[in-house]
Amino acid sequence: GNSVTQMEGPVTLSEEAFLTINCTYTATGYPSLFWYVQYPGEGLQLLLKATKADDKGSNKGFEATYRKETTSFHLEKGSVQVSDSAVYFCALTENRDDKIIFGKGTRLHILP
Amino acid sequence: GAGVSQSPSNKVTEKGKDVELRCDPISGHTALYWYRQSLGQGLEFLIYFQGNSAPDKSGLPSDRFSAERTGGSVSTLTIQRTQQEDSAVYLCASSLRARALAGGLTGELFFGEGSRLTVL
Repeated sequence: GNSVTQMEGPVTLSEEAFLTINCTYTATGYPSLFWYVQYPGEGLQLLLKATKADDKGSNKGFEATYRKETTSFHLEKGSVQVSDSAVYFCALTENRDDKIIFGKGTRLHILP
Repeated sequence: GAGVSQSPSNKVTEKGKDVELRCDPISGHTALYWYRQSLGQGLEFLIYFQGNSAPDKSGLPSDRFSAERTGGSVSTLTIQRTQQEDSAVYLCASSLRARALAGGLTGELFFGEGSRLTVL
């Protein structure tokens, strides 16, 4: 079945550091890929998405590129801020149904 | 309201009791999802409703779990004879399903703030 694997946390970085959170997936068809974020005390919200191979999703300085050849959708940010501290979830859905499968989440701590 | 509303926000119950969790999705959203968030387990898919289609129940962990969606709007997740392992945050999300011309789901999920269930 479909699945999403993302790096385990917590990830702790200093402010202005470069961030990568790895995400790989297994899917039988052509999935759409998402990153969701859960800030402390808030509900999950969509951060960015990509619907086909080689698409790049971007938002709030974060980027992720849909790599079909490596079945990956790694999340990157060039210079993180304390306000980026949150839990990040990688997710996918396939064309043939809209069931969205999430990874286990990666907790990110940014130190001032 | 403007967002997905869930109630109760917190529920403490005794082992063996039944509980009902309610989700009021965003008006007009045809798709409704239930997930369970446990510490260290991420988001576990439970059930998915889409319009008038039969729901996808493939994620329900046992027959103690059931869900309904009345009139294509409000949904209730029922857990019978609760066990301690049912303790978790139950999240509801809704979506206005849309597909890009090239295929692929483009509608994003809007989540409620969850119902935290504690089974003693």
